[in-house]
Amino acid sequence: DAKTTQPTSMDCAEGRAANLPCNHSTISGNEYVYWYRQIHSQGPQYIIHGLKNNETNEMASLIITEDRKSSTLILPHATLRDTAVYYCIVDSGTYKYIFGTGTRLKVLA
Amino acid sequence: NAGVTQTPKFQVLKTGQSMTLQCAQDMNHEYMSWYRQDPGMGLRLIHYSVGAGITDQGEVPNGYNVSRSTTEDFPLRLLSAAPSQTSVYFCASKLLGQGSGNTIYFGEGSWLTVV
Repeated sequence: DAKTTQPTSMDCAEGRAANLPCNHSTISGNEYVYWYRQIHSQGPQYIIHGLKNNETNEMASLIITEDRKSSTLILPHATLRDTAVYYCIVDSGTYKYIFGTGTRLKVLA
Repeated sequence: NAGVTQTPKFQVLKTGQSMTLQCAQDMNHEYMSWYRQDPGMGLRLIHYSVGAGITDQGEVPNGYNVSRSTTEDFPLRLLSAAPSQTSVYFCASKLLGQGSGNTIYFGEGSWLTVV
């Protein structure tokens, strides 16, 4: 199973872009990268996913390096409501979705 | 479409008592799973199921039993509760396969305290 590594915590000024990195150096060619976030103690919510190409939706952008060994989640204009724990996981098809500890993002006013 | 529904939301147990956390989903998802989250920690996978009659262990299965008799329901049983099982429990479901967009849906969590 592909493992992911994320920084423990990050700060970002309100209105600025938040760039959250994730390392998944053992990812295989057909494995998707998914990002979720958990606000307070709610259940995690889906943000975005990708395979090879960069992706964008109404919430965020996902940049995947050409070798697919890392990715970056971008929140273009962070707000206080984006303060949360962000999880990067790899869907390897084994059904053991390991979330780890994620990155605790704090958006500062 | 209610998504993933967990009950109860809050529960206090005495050490040694047994209980069942209920989880139901109405999205016809084959995959269901249970996670626990201790204060300030990430999610840890307890058990998962890929269909009725099929279950398997996750990262931290000890002390918990599961069964999957229907596609919709995936109860988590604590046979003899211990204080170490004090945690927030999340149920999750998704469509099988690695296909694009097969995202995981989570319930709102069940807060369990064992005294």
